[in-house]
Amino acid sequence: DADVTQTPRNRITKTGKRIMLECSQTKGHDRMYWYRQDPGLGLRLIYYSFDVKDINKGEISDGYSVSRQAQAKFSLSLESAIPNQTALYFCATSRSGAAGYTFGSGTRLTVV
Amino acid sequence: AQSVTQPDIHITVSEGASLELRCNYSYGATPYLFWYVQSPGQGLQLLLKYFSGDTLVQGIKGFEAEFKRSQSSFNLRKPSVHWSDAAEYFCAVGGASGGYNKLIFGAGTRLAVHP
Repeated sequence: DADVTQTPRNRITKTGKRIMLECSQTKGHDRMYWYRQDPGLGLRLIYYSFDVKDINKGEISDGYSVSRQAQAKFSLSLESAIPNQTALYFCATSRSGAAGYTFGSGTRLTVV
Repeated sequence: AQSVTQPDIHITVSEGASLELRCNYSYGATPYLFWYVQSPGQGLQLLLKYFSGDTLVQGIKGFEAEFKRSQSSFNLRKPSVHWSDAAEYFCAVGGASGGYNKLIFGAGTRLAVHP
């Protein structure tokens, strides 16, 4: 099994729909992150969490929310999807800042 | 503010040729620096990292990178490229107050390898 599992792998949804992207990790790390990847822009941080009681906004949190259900689970929600949220979404986990991240395989989301 | 610049969007090299991917960063203190590789349809894999000590760091798959504080650079190199190295490469810097708690990524460099 992968260290970081993201579901679904691909999703097409309609404008205005609520959608949840899920992430689970088996690394036993406290820190988890959600990034968004767009061509030419690299990865941008949406939200991050250092433990189950700690949630922080990243640089592009508007239109998104998260839930840290357990140490191993960190979900990202789009409350009302819009087409410019079409992107590749990555979840990651880390033990510390110096250790680097372990990434999931990504969720490709298309909003039509 | 912290930032990472990868000046080259696309690079094409011949198989067996040497490779250098450029990365420049802006950060107020000694940064933690990383290179990741993303193969098509895959997540990002850590190639190497630097946070202290020897400024030349070795990574996986035959890659190395050199930290040059005076140039605010952390360029990735490989002496002989293989076709399987075709991928997108991301430089990242650890930053923000309170510690190196989250990474800032560059826009990426897409590498194509000609046979």
